[in-house]
Amino acid sequence: DTAVSQTPKYLVTQMGNDKSIKCEQNLGHDTMYWYKQDSKKFLKIMFSYNNKELIINETVPNRFSPKSPDKAHLNLHINSLELGDSAVYFCASSQAWSRRNNEQFFGPGTRLTVL
Amino acid sequence: DAKTTQPPSMDCAEGRAANLPCNHSTISGNEYVYWYRQIHSQGPQYIIHGLKNNETNEMASLIITEDRKSSTLILPHATLRDTAVYYCIGSPQGGSEKLVFGKGTKLTVNP
Repeated sequence: DTAVSQTPKYLVTQMGNDKSIKCEQNLGHDTMYWYKQDSKKFLKIMFSYNNKELIINETVPNRFSPKSPDKAHLNLHINSLELGDSAVYFCASSQAWSRRNNEQFFGPGTRLTVL
Repeated sequence: DAKTTQPPSMDCAEGRAANLPCNHSTISGNEYVYWYRQIHSQGPQYIIHGLKNNETNEMASLIITEDRKSSTLILPHATLRDTAVYYCIGSPQGGSEKLVFGKGTKLTVNP
């Protein structure tokens, strides 16, 4: 009965590879997010989708491409991985923007290590 | 997004109340004050939020000053499991707004 799940939990790969991280939420939420937490523990928003539509796109390299096949899923594909991409990536979800509460539910995170 | 300022670390004895302060002097009228926490190696967890009235839920209480320039998160009876980084965030009303996390306060609850 996990609310927000991510796969894989750990991902170790070589520079230059392409990888994907999957996220699923079973809360019936309309909005999903990707956050990145670097080695200094700063947590920053990357993308946000509302009803499968991109609504937030922070300054993120084009190598990162989110894909939302439906409201319950938001996957993150990363091309040509670089050392600096090593971080923990968190997926989150919340209710639609028209509601008062911006409570976001976070997944357990995916620790990406690029060698 | 409102910029918030928090002490980098605090200690609290188990069973005592933990009072975590946050300054948000630039918060605008439509921005709520949210508190999240991140226990080591886990995703952030929502605690509580408020606009101008004090709020209480099963996890904590939130006291917001009348001028809304600062707030205090109160964990009434801290346990060892409350050891975490606590983030105070100003966020506009609405459910699809990004959360801008600062450095937070590392709360250590000691036995």
